[in-house]
Amino acid sequence: GNSVTQMEGPVTLSEEAFLTINCTYTATGYPSLFWYVQYPGEGLQLLLKATKADDKGSNKGFEATYRKETTSFHLEKGSVQVSDSAVYFCALRGSNSGYALNFGKGTSLLVTP
Amino acid sequence: GAGVSQSPRYKVAKRGQDVALRCDPISGHVSLFWYQQALGQGPEFLTYFQNEAQLDKSGLPSDRFFAERPEGSVSTLKIQRTQQEDSAVYLCASSLKGETGRGTSEAFFGQGTRLTVV
Repeated sequence: GNSVTQMEGPVTLSEEAFLTINCTYTATGYPSLFWYVQYPGEGLQLLLKATKADDKGSNKGFEATYRKETTSFHLEKGSVQVSDSAVYFCALRGSNSGYALNFGKGTSLLVTP
Repeated sequence: GAGVSQSPRYKVAKRGQDVALRCDPISGHVSLFWYQQALGQGPEFLTYFQNEAQLDKSGLPSDRFFAERPEGSVSTLKIQRTQQEDSAVYLCASSLKGETGRGTSEAFFGQGTRLTVV
């Protein structure tokens, strides 16, 4: 079945540091890939997505590239801010299982001033 | 409001009690999803509605779990004879279009209902 593995947290960074959160997946066919973010006290929000190999999703300075050869969708940001402190979830929707999003366990990020 | 609304936000139930969790999706959204999120885990899919039709209930963990969306808008997730392992945050999400095998429309999530079974 489909599954997502992402690096365990918590990740603690200083403001303006470079961020990478690793995400790899297992799926048949050509899944769509997503990053969701959950800020404290709020619901999950879509951060970015990519629907085919080599696509790059980007939003709010975050980027992730759909790499089919390494089955990865790592999240990166060049310079994090305190306001980026949140829990980040990698997710996929399989090409032959249209309804469910399969989520990773989440990675907690804390950015300190 | 403009977002997905869930109620109650918190629910404490005694083991064996029945509970009902409500989800008000964004107006006009065709698709509605329920997910279960245990502590420290990612959300796990429970069920999917397209309008009033329940097209996928493969994630419901047992026959104690039941969901409905009778008029294609508000949905209720009911858990009968609650057990301690049912303790989790229950998330509702909606999206504008009906999902297909290549569905990529954005799902908007509510803040969830935290259920604690004691």
